[in-house]
Amino acid sequence: SQKIEQNSEALNIQEGKTATLTCNYTNYSPAYLQWYRQDPGRGPVFLLLIRENEKEKRKERLKVTFDTTLKQSLFHITASQPADSATYLCALAASSGGYNKLIFGAGTRLAVHP
Amino acid sequence: DVKVTQSSRYLVKRTGEKVFLECVQDMDHENMFWYRQDPGLGLRLIYFSYDVKMKEKGDIPEGYSVSREKKERFSLILESASTNQTSMYLCASRSRGGIPEQFFGPGTRLTVL
Repeated sequence: SQKIEQNSEALNIQEGKTATLTCNYTNYSPAYLQWYRQDPGRGPVFLLLIRENEKEKRKERLKVTFDTTLKQSLFHITASQPADSATYLCALAASSGGYNKLIFGAGTRLAVHP
Repeated sequence: DVKVTQSSRYLVKRTGEKVFLECVQDMDHENMFWYRQDPGLGLRLIYFSYDVKMKEKGDIPEGYSVSREKKERFSLILESASTNQTSMYLCASRSRGGIPEQFFGPGTRLTVL
């Protein structure tokens, strides 16, 4: 069966360290993968997109890698700050009847401590 | 500032009631989506629409219907609400071309008693 998995346990790290979140999937061949941030009581906000032919993408303190052989994406936040505390969702594009729909993971909660 | 708005942040309804959730976007996006979000399950797609008056079933359409009479507005209808439809409902939109990021509304927390 098709699955997309993110670590369900919260990730606790110290301010200034690098946070690394994992997204694994099975039985998909996504054309691209996206990462979103969600704060409590709010809708997700788009952060980054990486396509199947890209190994790595960066945006300011954020870095995403995509390994289609391992079927895994890693999301890194360098020099983390308490303001980075949120839930991070990965979403992959799955083709459905000629349309690409997003399949979301359940998210990983990140807590950055001062 | 681009916006997706949803008609209510919190809603409490009784079993068997008909429930309307409204979503409006001001970005002239062709595609609109309705998701529900439950703890441990992530966002699950209920319905989506790629054009006015067009709709497609998502992964969990049972018990729901949708309406898209105008480009900016996408409504989710629960014909007869049940307790297992208690959830957070999120609306999103995206443009047909360009980067396929989705813009989400703030969500409606629906409780069915």
